Amino acid sequence: DIQMTQSPASLSASLGETVSIECLASEGISNDLAWYQQKSGKSPHLLIHTTSRLQDGVPSRFSGSGSGTRYSLKISGMQPEDEADYFCQQSHKYPLTFGSGTKLEIK
Amino acid sequence: VQLVESGGGLVQPGRSLKLSCAASGFTFTDSYMAWVRQTPKKGLEWVATISSRGTTTYYPDSVRGRFTISRDYAKSSLYLQMNSLKSEDTATYYCARHGLRINFDYWGQGVMVTVSS
Repeated sequence: DIQMTQSPASLSASLGETVSIECLASEGISNDLAWYQQKSGKSPHLLIHTTSRLQDGVPSRFSGSGSGTRYSLKISGMQPEDEADYFCQQSHKYPLTFGSGTKLEIK
Repeated sequence: VQLVESGGGLVQPGRSLKLSCAASGFTFTDSYMAWVRQTPKKGLEWVATISSRGTTTYYPDSVRGRFTISRDYAKSSLYLQMNSLKSEDTATYYCARHGLRINFDYWGQGVMVTVSS
Protein backbone atom coordinates (compact mmCIF):
# COMPACT_ATOMS: atom_id res chain seq x y z
CA ASP A 1 0.00 0.00 0.00
CA ILE A 2 1.14 3.57 -0.65
CA GLN A 3 1.58 5.49 2.60
CA MET A 4 0.89 9.23 2.55
CA THR A 5 2.80 11.21 5.18
CA GLN A 6 1.28 14.64 5.62
CA SER A 7 2.85 17.58 7.47
CA PRO A 8 2.43 19.56 9.57
CA ALA A 9 -0.36 18.05 11.67
CA SER A 10 -1.47 21.53 12.65
CA LEU A 11 -0.73 25.04 11.54
CA SER A 12 -1.70 28.50 12.67
CA ALA A 13 -1.61 31.41 10.23
CA SER A 14 -2.46 35.11 10.22
CA LEU A 15 -4.90 36.55 7.73
CA GLY A 16 -3.11 37.27 4.47
CA GLU A 17 -0.26 34.89 5.27
CA THR A 18 0.86 32.26 2.78
CA VAL A 19 0.80 28.69 4.08
CA SER A 20 2.03 25.38 2.72
CA ILE A 21 1.08 21.81 3.51
CA GLU A 22 3.11 18.85 2.28
CA CYS A 23 2.46 15.21 1.48
CA LEU A 24 5.14 12.61 0.99
CA ALA A 25 4.21 9.37 -0.75
CA SER A 26 6.03 6.14 0.08
CA GLU A 27 6.54 5.57 -3.64
CA GLY A 28 6.15 7.59 -6.82
CA ILE A 29 2.54 8.42 -7.67
CA SER A 30 2.98 10.18 -11.02
CA ASN A 31 1.09 13.35 -10.03
CA ASP A 32 -2.02 11.35 -9.07
CA LEU A 33 -2.57 13.49 -5.99
CA ALA A 34 -5.68 15.29 -4.79
CA TRP A 35 -6.29 17.77 -1.96
CA TYR A 36 -9.47 18.10 0.08
CA GLN A 37 -10.75 20.72 2.49
CA GLN A 38 -13.05 19.75 5.35
CA LYS A 39 -14.70 22.41 7.45
CA SER A 40 -15.95 21.65 10.93
CA GLY A 41 -18.97 19.33 10.87
CA LYS A 42 -19.01 19.13 7.07
CA SER A 43 -18.04 16.58 4.43
CA PRO A 44 -14.69 16.79 2.65
CA HIS A 45 -14.61 18.96 -0.46
CA LEU A 46 -12.31 18.40 -3.44
CA LEU A 47 -10.01 21.37 -4.02
CA ILE A 48 -7.31 20.13 -6.37
CA HIS A 49 -6.74 16.98 -8.45
CA THR A 50 -3.85 15.70 -10.53
CA THR A 51 -1.43 17.67 -8.34
CA SER A 52 -2.28 21.14 -9.60
CA ARG A 53 -5.70 21.27 -11.30
CA LEU A 54 -8.19 23.37 -9.39
CA GLN A 55 -11.72 22.04 -9.13
CA ASP A 56 -14.35 24.40 -10.54
CA GLY A 57 -15.18 27.21 -8.14
CA VAL A 58 -12.05 26.87 -6.00
CA PRO A 59 -10.41 30.26 -5.38
CA SER A 60 -7.16 30.90 -7.22
CA ARG A 61 -5.31 31.50 -3.94
CA PHE A 62 -5.18 27.70 -3.69
CA SER A 63 -2.47 26.00 -5.70
CA GLY A 64 -0.81 22.61 -5.82
CA SER A 65 2.57 21.43 -6.96
CA GLY A 66 4.92 18.50 -6.80
CA SER A 67 6.18 15.42 -8.55
CA GLY A 68 7.40 11.94 -7.82
CA THR A 69 6.83 11.42 -4.11
CA ARG A 70 6.63 15.04 -2.84
CA TYR A 71 3.55 17.23 -3.19
CA SER A 72 2.33 20.43 -1.62
CA LEU A 73 -0.73 22.61 -1.24
CA LYS A 74 -0.25 26.36 -0.97
CA ILE A 75 -2.74 28.98 0.15
CA SER A 76 -1.57 32.42 -0.95
CA GLY A 77 -3.18 34.82 1.44
CA MET A 78 -5.03 33.10 4.25
CA GLN A 79 -8.72 34.02 4.49
CA PRO A 80 -11.09 33.40 7.42
CA GLU A 81 -13.03 30.82 5.41
CA ASP A 82 -9.85 28.78 4.88
CA GLU A 83 -9.85 27.62 8.50
CA ALA A 84 -10.38 23.87 8.07
CA ASP A 85 -8.75 20.46 7.93
CA TYR A 86 -6.87 19.57 4.76
CA PHE A 87 -6.15 16.08 3.44
CA CYS A 88 -4.14 14.71 0.55
CA GLN A 89 -5.10 11.52 -1.30
CA GLN A 90 -3.23 9.42 -3.80
CA SER A 91 -5.20 8.07 -6.75
CA HIS A 92 -2.29 6.27 -8.39
CA LYS A 93 -3.25 2.77 -7.36
CA TYR A 94 -5.59 0.80 -5.14
CA PRO A 95 -5.93 0.80 -2.22
CA LEU A 96 -6.60 4.54 -2.36
CA THR A 97 -5.00 6.21 0.63
CA PHE A 98 -5.20 9.55 2.42
CA GLY A 99 -2.81 11.63 4.41
CA SER A 100 -3.51 12.05 8.13
CA GLY A 101 -4.62 15.64 7.74
CA THR A 102 -3.52 19.16 8.65
CA LYS A 103 -5.58 21.35 10.92
CA LEU A 104 -5.28 24.96 9.75
CA GLU A 105 -6.34 27.67 12.15
CA ILE A 106 -6.28 31.44 12.13
CA LYS A 107 -3.72 32.98 14.44
CA VAL B 1 -25.17 16.70 -7.51
CA GLN B 2 -26.69 15.29 -4.37
CA LEU B 3 -25.74 12.20 -2.40
CA VAL B 4 -27.87 11.28 0.61
CA GLU B 5 -26.84 8.42 2.88
CA SER B 6 -29.11 6.46 5.21
CA GLY B 7 -29.09 3.28 7.25
CA GLY B 8 -26.56 4.07 9.93
CA GLY B 9 -26.98 3.32 13.60
CA LEU B 10 -25.85 1.25 16.56
CA VAL B 11 -25.11 -2.42 15.89
CA GLN B 12 -23.55 -5.18 17.97
CA PRO B 13 -20.20 -6.71 17.03
CA GLY B 14 -20.58 -9.58 14.59
CA ARG B 15 -23.89 -8.32 13.23
CA SER B 16 -24.71 -6.78 9.87
CA LEU B 17 -25.84 -3.40 8.60
CA LYS B 18 -26.65 -2.05 5.14
CA LEU B 19 -26.05 1.56 4.15
CA SER B 20 -27.83 3.25 1.27
CA CYS B 21 -27.01 6.32 -0.78
CA ALA B 22 -29.54 8.04 -3.02
CA ALA B 23 -27.85 9.84 -5.92
CA SER B 24 -29.25 12.65 -8.04
CA GLY B 25 -28.17 15.53 -10.25
CA PHE B 26 -25.78 13.57 -12.46
CA THR B 27 -25.73 10.57 -14.78
CA PHE B 28 -25.48 7.76 -12.24
CA THR B 29 -24.81 5.15 -14.91
CA ASP B 30 -21.65 6.95 -16.04
CA SER B 31 -20.00 7.27 -12.65
CA TYR B 32 -17.76 5.12 -10.52
CA MET B 33 -19.00 5.33 -6.94
CA ALA B 34 -17.37 4.74 -3.58
CA TRP B 35 -17.69 4.62 0.18
CA VAL B 36 -15.18 6.38 2.42
CA ARG B 37 -15.18 6.34 6.22
CA GLN B 38 -13.73 8.69 8.79
CA THR B 39 -12.83 8.52 12.45
CA PRO B 40 -11.11 11.16 14.59
CA LYS B 41 -8.30 8.72 15.35
CA LYS B 42 -7.66 7.07 11.97
CA GLY B 43 -8.76 9.88 9.66
CA LEU B 44 -10.14 9.16 6.22
CA GLU B 45 -10.14 5.58 4.93
CA TRP B 46 -11.37 4.45 1.52
CA VAL B 47 -13.71 1.48 1.96
CA ALA B 48 -15.02 0.38 -1.45
CA THR B 49 -15.41 1.34 -5.10
CA ILE B 50 -17.74 0.04 -7.80
CA SER B 51 -17.34 0.64 -11.51
CA SER B 52 -19.92 2.52 -13.55
CA ARG B 53 -21.32 -0.73 -14.97
CA GLY B 54 -21.19 -2.49 -11.63
CA THR B 55 -18.97 -5.24 -12.99
CA THR B 56 -15.85 -4.44 -10.99
CA THR B 57 -15.42 -3.75 -7.29
CA TYR B 58 -12.41 -2.79 -5.21
CA TYR B 59 -11.82 -3.06 -1.47
CA PRO B 60 -8.95 -2.55 0.96
CA ASP B 61 -7.80 -5.58 2.95
CA SER B 62 -9.44 -4.22 6.10
CA VAL B 63 -12.97 -4.88 4.77
CA ARG B 64 -12.53 -7.33 1.90
CA GLY B 65 -14.71 -10.41 2.45
CA ARG B 66 -16.91 -8.59 4.99
CA PHE B 67 -18.23 -5.58 3.04
CA THR B 68 -19.99 -5.61 -0.34
CA ILE B 69 -20.64 -2.55 -2.48
CA SER B 70 -23.49 -2.65 -4.99
CA ARG B 71 -25.69 -0.32 -7.01
CA ASP B 72 -29.24 -0.16 -8.34
CA TYR B 73 -29.55 1.79 -11.58
CA ALA B 74 -33.35 1.94 -11.51
CA LYS B 75 -33.19 3.64 -8.11
CA SER B 76 -29.95 5.58 -8.73
CA SER B 77 -28.76 4.18 -5.44
CA LEU B 78 -25.52 2.89 -4.00
CA TYR B 79 -25.30 0.38 -1.17
CA LEU B 80 -22.78 -0.97 1.31
CA GLN B 81 -23.59 -4.29 2.94
CA MET B 82 -21.44 -4.64 6.05
CA ASN B 83 -21.19 -8.07 7.66
CA SER B 84 -19.24 -9.38 10.65
CA LEU B 85 -18.91 -5.86 11.99
CA LYS B 86 -16.09 -5.04 14.38
CA SER B 87 -15.62 -2.18 16.83
CA GLU B 88 -12.97 -0.76 14.52
CA ASP B 89 -15.64 -0.29 11.85
CA THR B 90 -17.17 2.45 13.98
CA ALA B 91 -16.99 5.59 11.85
CA THR B 92 -18.85 8.15 9.81
CA TYR B 93 -19.46 6.63 6.38
CA TYR B 94 -19.58 8.84 3.31
CA CYS B 95 -20.96 8.00 -0.11
CA ALA B 96 -18.80 9.64 -2.77
CA ARG B 97 -18.63 9.96 -6.53
CA HIS B 98 -15.33 9.25 -8.23
CA GLY B 99 -13.91 11.95 -10.42
CA LEU B 100 -11.97 11.25 -13.61
CA ARG B 101 -8.72 10.54 -11.78
CA ILE B 102 -10.12 8.27 -9.04
CA ASN B 103 -10.41 11.13 -6.62
CA PHE B 104 -13.73 11.91 -4.90
CA ASP B 105 -15.41 14.92 -6.45
CA TYR B 106 -18.72 14.85 -4.58
CA TRP B 107 -19.51 13.60 -1.09
CA GLY B 108 -22.67 12.92 0.86
CA GLN B 109 -23.30 14.36 4.30
CA GLY B 110 -22.22 11.14 6.00
CA VAL B 111 -23.93 8.60 8.23
CA MET B 112 -22.71 7.37 11.60
CA VAL B 113 -22.15 3.68 12.28
CA THR B 114 -21.39 2.58 15.83
CA VAL B 115 -20.37 -1.00 16.51
CA SER B 116 -20.70 -1.73 20.21
CA SER B 117 -22.26 -4.21 22.59
